[in-house]
Order: sequence, then structure tokens, then C-alpha cells
Amino acid sequence: DAGVIQSPRHEVTEMGQEVTLRCKPISGHNSLFWYRQTMMRGLELLIYFNNNVPIDDSGMPEDRFSAKMPNASFSTLKIQPSEPRDSAVYFCASGRGGSVSYNEQFFGPGTRLTVL
Amino acid sequence: ILNVEQSPQSLHVQEGDSTNFTCSFPSSNFYALHWYRWETAKSPEALFVMTLNGDEKKKGRISATLNTKEGYSYLYIKGSQPEDSATYLCAFVNTGGFKTIFGAGTRLFVKA
Repeated sequence: DAGVIQSPRHEVTEMGQEVTLRCKPISGHNSLFWYRQTMMRGLELLIYFNNNVPIDDSGMPEDRFSAKMPNASFSTLKIQPSEPRDSAVYFCASGRGGSVSYNEQFFGPGTRLTVL
Repeated sequence: ILNVEQSPQSLHVQEGDSTNFTCSFPSSNFYALHWYRWETAKSPEALFVMTLNGDEKKKGRISATLNTKEGYSYLYIKGSQPEDSATYLCAFVNTGGFKTIFGAGTRLFVKA
């Protein structure tokens, strides 16, 4: 199993540009999570999906952030327009919800975003 | 508001020392408690999942206990080694199974 795949691994962009982060969850997992890691706030949950449906997006910072999961094997997190304060490492994680795994999550390698 | 707190924030120990740290979580609507190990420049990796009050889990020199009635879990490391240096995260899952709240982590530094 390849694990959770994220792309790109590093992204450097200029303020105002659109940024799209991509995630491929582990096959068979029905939950997908987007997190942001910053020095100030640690690991923040942005949004999670269950069976491709967004369940809780209360962690999404503002309207500039959006996430989609068009099918079970792909999700995107988009920032438009990007700002320097969005600079962080963004992690995607997937898991099998319910009593099978009690929501254990498997993390991707992260995307390090720098907005200049 | 669901609050998961970990203490201490960071810990410096010498190689060979045994150490422990705490995760506090809401005592109601408990579903599961996870411990993750997060090495610098890597991704968090699952250590334990704990579901029942009184659970004790062990993996090598690392073990964990769970008290759901009072809302805490301890992680113990016996005979710390430099390779144990990492951030240890706990994550509380409430009933329903999908809302996971991570603590801020305890950053462990083990000096050779």
C-alpha cells in the first residue's frame, strides 16, 4: 500500500495566487481529513469528509479556503487568493471510521506551502 | 467546546531516564483515545488506540493507560533513547466516531 499521497510536497507562490493541494487517500478508507500545522496552533483540523461528503468544515479559516472530494480516491484543498499567513504545512489523513479502527488516521507526508 | 490538553508542553531527559506525560480530555461522550508519535519533518504515526476504561497498551518500551471516567491518559517511556525524541500527540474521538480533536502535543528531547 502506497499510503496517503499528497502533492505537491512543496509549493512556493506569491500572495494573491490560487493554490491547490491534492490528496489521494488509502484505498478502502472512507474518511478523509485536512489539517494545517503551524507553530502557533499546532495541528488544526480544517475539514473532514466521510464517504466523500463534508461532515464538519468548522475549522476552515475563511471563505478563501475550500475543499472538495469528488470521489473516494481524490480530494483537493484550494486557497484563493492566498496570503502570507496561509504559509504552513498542510496534512491530509485518511481512515476507516467506526468500530473497525476507532477513527485511527494515517497521515500523508504533508505539503509545505510558502506564500510570499 | 471539546478541549484536549497535554502536559508538559516539552520535556528534556537524559538517555536511560524513564518519563511520562499526560493527556486530558472530556470525560463525556468518549469513543476512543489515540496516541501518535510525530518525528520532526515526518508525519504523525499511530502508536496506540484505546477504547475501554482501564485499558493498558504496550509497545516495546512505550506504554499507555486510560481513565475515561476522569478523562486522562498517561504515556510512559521506559529507558528513553535518543530515537524516542519526537512530539507525542493524543487525539480524542467523541461518540459518532468522526470528530477527532488533537492535543497540542508533548515534545520530548532525549539527550545521549
